[in-house]
Amino acid sequence: QKEVEQNSGPLSVPEGAIASLNCTYSDRGSQSFFWYRQYSGKSPELIMSIYSNGDKEDGRFTAQLNKASQYVSLLIRDSQPSDSATYLCAVNMIGNTGKLIFGQGTTLQVKP
Amino acid sequence: DAGVIQSPRHEVTEMGQEVTLRCKPISGHDYLFWYRQTMMRGLELLIYFNNNVPIDDSGMPEDRFSAKMPNASFSTLKIQPSEPRDSAVYFCATRGEQFFGPGTRLTVL
Repeated sequence: QKEVEQNSGPLSVPEGAIASLNCTYSDRGSQSFFWYRQYSGKSPELIMSIYSNGDKEDGRFTAQLNKASQYVSLLIRDSQPSDSATYLCAVNMIGNTGKLIFGQGTTLQVKP
Repeated sequence: DAGVIQSPRHEVTEMGQEVTLRCKPISGHDYLFWYRQTMMRGLELLIYFNNNVPIDDSGMPEDRFSAKMPNASFSTLKIQPSEPRDSAVYFCATRGEQFFGPGTRLTVL
């Protein structure tokens, strides 16, 4: 079992819809969770971080964390074509300060 | 601040040659990470430093890879000898939530 798992996609949504990206992780003691966006040919860019159960909203983005289910998700409201990218989930494993484990990423396509 | 700086941005070399990738981290960031990204394996952590000291090099694929951080403002990742399977994008990132550099695209022929 991979430590951090994501559906590779592509996930295709129409412009204006809600895109839902999901991630599961294996280490129950994980403390910190991150979502990165990576455009083709570019480096990953941090867009959201979440540390406690529940929802965290930032503009059109909402991160959701459920530690009991070992599940973290990212919702993108009012999706735009400019949101088309690969979204990487990353988890800070307990006992490893600063070290992140990344999922394979989910490719999102927002169609005009 | 200019962010994380990596050089070169592109490197094409022949199998067996030595390759050196360079990274200048963001000033004051005490952690530095080297990653490799390929389509097949995704983003893999190779090694990371804290205050210039290597903390975990378990991701370094084999002895052909080595990394150094002689001071807080500079790090290198060296591959000697290089092989075609080393072709990838290599990223340097710094502290905590990890600010990534632009990457070095390495092609080994």
